[in-house]
Amino acid sequence: EAGVVQSPRYKIIEKKQPVAFWCNPISGHNTLYWYRQNLGQGPELLIRYENEEAVDDSQLPKDRFSAERLKGVDSTLKIQPAELGDSAVYLCASSLEGAVSYEQYFGPGTRLTVT
Amino acid sequence: AQSVTQLGSHVSVSEGALVLLRCNYSSSVPPYLFWYVQYPNQGLQLLLKYTTGATLVKGINGFEAEFKKSETSFHLTKPSAHMSDAAEYFCAVRALRGGSEKLVFGKGTKLTVNP
Repeated sequence: EAGVVQSPRYKIIEKKQPVAFWCNPISGHNTLYWYRQNLGQGPELLIRYENEEAVDDSQLPKDRFSAERLKGVDSTLKIQPAELGDSAVYLCASSLEGAVSYEQYFGPGTRLTVT
Repeated sequence: AQSVTQLGSHVSVSEGALVLLRCNYSSSVPPYLFWYVQYPNQGLQLLLKYTTGATLVKGINGFEAEFKKSETSFHLTKPSAHMSDAAEYFCAVRALRGGSEKLVFGKGTKLTVNP
């Protein structure tokens, strides 16, 4: 079974530029998460989808971040414009259902560097 | 609010020695507790979890953890360290916020295994 796929793995951009990350979750998983992991920290949830619906986006900085999950499968996370403080690893995860008792499977992440 | 504190950002052990990674939690609701492992340039992988029932939880790769309510702890142990255990380990607790539940991660403990 294929795991969670993310691309690109690495991205370097200048501040004020836009950037997008893509995630393909495990087949059949209804729930998709985007996390941000700053250096030396644990992951922090940005947004959670149940199928196509964003059910928890309370931690998403909506002035510059946006996300979508079309057809309840793949998802894209966008930052526009990027700031220096956005440098981090962006992790995508998926699970069968949204309750935390269901195991979350993580992708390898996209390491973003903003210069 | 729910949170976790991981004591020691770096732990170093010799191959074959006991591994002990400490995690203390704060939760106003019955806690669900998790340990995840992250190998370099990879996503997180669930080692084990406690939701209800037996307080001694066994996970993958020979790891186990014991939920101690009186001490608000969920320490991770392995009797004999292997070189392949070198990684970063994250403790997490279920958080209930705004009618939604999510994982809140600690800052992580980097485990080094010396030959």
